[in-house]
Amino acid sequence: NAGVTQTPKFRILKIGQSMTLQCTQDMNHNYMYWYRQDPGMGLKLIYYSVGAGITDKGEVPNGYNVSRSTTEDFPLRLELAAPSQTSVYFCASSYGGVETQYFGPGTRLLVL
Amino acid sequence: KNEVEQSPQNLTAQEGEFITINCSYSVGISALHWLQQHPGGGIVSLFMLSSGKKKHGRLIATINIQEKHSSLHITASHPRDSAVYICAVRRGSGGGADGLTFGKGTHLIIQP
Repeated sequence: NAGVTQTPKFRILKIGQSMTLQCTQDMNHNYMYWYRQDPGMGLKLIYYSVGAGITDKGEVPNGYNVSRSTTEDFPLRLELAAPSQTSVYFCASSYGGVETQYFGPGTRLLVL
Repeated sequence: KNEVEQSPQNLTAQEGEFITINCSYSVGISALHWLQQHPGGGIVSLFMLSSGKKKHGRLIATINIQEKHSSLHITASHPRDSAVYICAVRRGSGGGADGLTFGKGTHLIIQP
């Protein structure tokens, strides 16, 4: 099992550009999450999904969109990149809501 | 005030010392997680608990639901334990979005 994989590992964007952060899990987990981690701050939940076709907002959803068309994939879309979106993004998955979460390796995003 | 508070923020100790990291939270929870983030950035789940105590190797996690407090202990600490330890809670039912609410982490350095 590869677990949770994320691509790319690192990306530099210009202000106003858009991109999609990819996340895939091969554990047949129902729940998937996107978090961002800023220096000196705790991770914050951006969006989550409890199954294919179902997504919901977390604590900091503004500027992001998600979709969940399959159990395995949960891409995060940035439409108009802003410097405030410079962060490290982690995708995670779990079988149920009250279960251990498995994290991907992270995507480091720099918006200039 | 953050919903999840950790102490200390930074801790430097000598190899072999007994380490305690504390976590207090102010919301009703269904589970509490302890996570480890290594210098390379990857995040690994150490424990998930909703009551009592769990042990894995040299690591012990306890939780007191009434006092809304959890501790992570490391016995016979080793330089390879150097990492950031993160406490996170999943809110109880009806408490908001799924996903975790995180503390800011405790940066632990174990010197040889």
